[in-house]
Amino acid sequence: GAVVSQHPSRVICKSGTSVKIECRSLDFQATTMFWYRQFPKQSLMLMATSNEGSKATYEQGVEKDKFLINHASLTLSTLTVTSAHPEDSSFYICSAYRGSTDTQYFGPGTRLTVL
Amino acid sequence: AQKITQTQPGMFVQEKEAVTLDCTYDTSDQSYGLFWYKQPSSGEMIFLIYQGSYDEQNATEGRYSLNFQKARKSANLVISASQLGDSAMYFCAMRAHQAGGTSYGKLTFGQGTILTVHP
Repeated sequence: GAVVSQHPSRVICKSGTSVKIECRSLDFQATTMFWYRQFPKQSLMLMATSNEGSKATYEQGVEKDKFLINHASLTLSTLTVTSAHPEDSSFYICSAYRGSTDTQYFGPGTRLTVL
Repeated sequence: AQKITQTQPGMFVQEKEAVTLDCTYDTSDQSYGLFWYKQPSSGEMIFLIYQGSYDEQNATEGRYSLNFQKARKSANLVISASQLGDSAMYFCAMRAHQAGGTSYGKLTFGQGTILTVHP
């Protein structure tokens, strides 16, 4: 199956700093990628839909200035958590949509801890 | 709008027995797809099984089968011969089959069910 990677897998940062998370589709081109947030023992909450070459579409309640998404190429989308605070600590998962198989492929996730 | 409901926060099953995880959905779309994912403690999302709304046969993948009852809008996952490694969180998800646009491929997830398999 298709492979999607995320980097870093874990990150610990101080409050007020910005953190960038990368999502890469390794063996296919993804015009659409999705970013999810997940708190412990809860469901995945879609944060935004990232489209290559255009602005991301954010879900209601998600601050676009707080969570910056860039999809600069067909294999890379980045999520930047700006001025992170402890309440931003969470598990962030990306997925990449492959049109040829009509399937979403998930990355392994990034665990963010803000001290 | 689409909605997925999983009413079982936690389920317990004895090793080698079968277990059913419930999922109901609500949508006004005529064409849609239903998915089940497994999420172990590592956090990765593992695809288990898929059912299209127009598929007449219930989907099966090894020990996993999907009991699809369209009129009742339910898509329960049945795991046969449970194994200790099946202990994980399980998510039911739905995708509308909308051609084009940024919502294509977008999934809506249920709340999840934590399955614990006892030896």
